[in-house]
Amino acid sequence: GMPVEQNPPALSLYEGADSGLRCNFSTTMKSVQWFQQNHRGRLITLFYLAQGTKENGRLKSTFNSKERYSTLHIKDAQLEDSGTYFCAALITGNTRKLIFGLGTTLQVQP
Amino acid sequence: EAAVTQSPRNKVAVTGGKVTLSCNQTNNHNNMYWYRQDTGHGLRLIHYSYGAGSTEKGDIPDGYKASRPSQENFSLILELATPSQTSVYFCASGGGGLDTQYFGPGTRLLVL
Repeated sequence: GMPVEQNPPALSLYEGADSGLRCNFSTTMKSVQWFQQNHRGRLITLFYLAQGTKENGRLKSTFNSKERYSTLHIKDAQLEDSGTYFCAALITGNTRKLIFGLGTTLQVQP
Repeated sequence: EAAVTQSPRNKVAVTGGKVTLSCNQTNNHNNMYWYRQDTGHGLRLIHYSYGAGSTEKGDIPDGYKASRPSQENFSLILELATPSQTSVYFCASGGGGLDTQYFGPGTRLLVL
């Protein structure tokens, strides 16, 4: 299977709703980054986590290396949250590189 | 946050032609990366570099070369462009203990 599986592939929310996105990893990853790709195609870093939980405004992310997953929680969704969210996990060894999930496309409706 | 710029932002090329995509970063990061983004595949690593003068093959290097002439600049070269290389290309830089990567705005390449 894919090294990084991201779910759901697509998500539709009404303004004010809460929801979560999840990434499962096929192996132990060193760290994870979450990105938002906006309507202009720009990749914006939301979080970097080597372990534990981080919060930033209405967003919260958790990374559990041992259990091989990471989550991104969006609270009180706003129209500007629409876009595609990617998680990317860092693998180490001979090469240190990011492996991306396929993304979750989020649409927030009024 | 790291400043990563790419040029050109849009490019139309003909099959068999040579294309050079340029990337510049101003935060003195050691590592730089080239990815392409395609529907159904997400972002895939083409080439990367650990510093000036070094280039390494990523996951999909075939048909691409890379050049890192300086700490700041990293180029992706398509010697003989093909329509299958039509994509959006992203450059990223990173380094230090956090390994966080910062991405440029992307280049849309259309090969006719």
